[in-house]
Amino acid sequence: DVKVTQSSRYLVKRTGEKVFLECVQDMDHENMFWYRQDPGLGLRLIYFSYDVKMKEKGDIPEGYSVSREKKERFSLILESASTNQTSMYLCASIKNPGRGGEQFFGPGTRLTVL
Amino acid sequence: DQQVKQNSPSLSVQEGRISILNCDYTNSMFDYFLWYKKYPAEGPTFLISISSIKDKNEDGRFTVFLNKSAKHLSLHIVPSQPGDSAVYFCAASGKTGANNLFFGTGTRLTVIP
Repeated sequence: DVKVTQSSRYLVKRTGEKVFLECVQDMDHENMFWYRQDPGLGLRLIYFSYDVKMKEKGDIPEGYSVSREKKERFSLILESASTNQTSMYLCASIKNPGRGGEQFFGPGTRLTVL
Repeated sequence: DQQVKQNSPSLSVQEGRISILNCDYTNSMFDYFLWYKKYPAEGPTFLISISSIKDKNEDGRFTVFLNKSAKHLSLHIVPSQPGDSAVYFCAASGKTGANNLFFGTGTRLTVIP
């Protein structure tokens, strides 16, 4: 069974803190993604990675960075958290990125920045 | 600029009736469309998809229709069940494949028992 896990379901941090969100997939998938979901805005891509140590910016990379040291793990880093980064963060992975592929999502991390 | 739009933020339907969720897109290069379902505090799960070479795809109670000339797709759920209550996202991809999915803003479906 396909499995994408995220390290925390709920997280509360203070403005200015460095925040790490971890994602692990056990499906040997090549590509991994980080999205944020906000009401009325749907899912917006922050970053994706197509291989270890490789990354590409998505639509809204500002204020975020990522790390992929191992194939199964993709981390999202908020260097200095701000209140406008309060959101639901979703990690996804995919084996076949070609036409007809689907992304598998983790359960999400709801981050609140005070 | 939102390339995939779901203009109805919410929909309420009686149990047993048909639910119709709509999605419009602007990019004629999109050639694959997906619907995801999302319960609160869970990640989206894949529901059904359709390639642009088809106009209909059916899977049990779920049918997706694609009208390429109108750049419109719809998801039909028949009969609707209370467990279908969730947020539904449509998504589209083009020549870059599933590495680049464009999501709509979602429609919250409530099925009333």
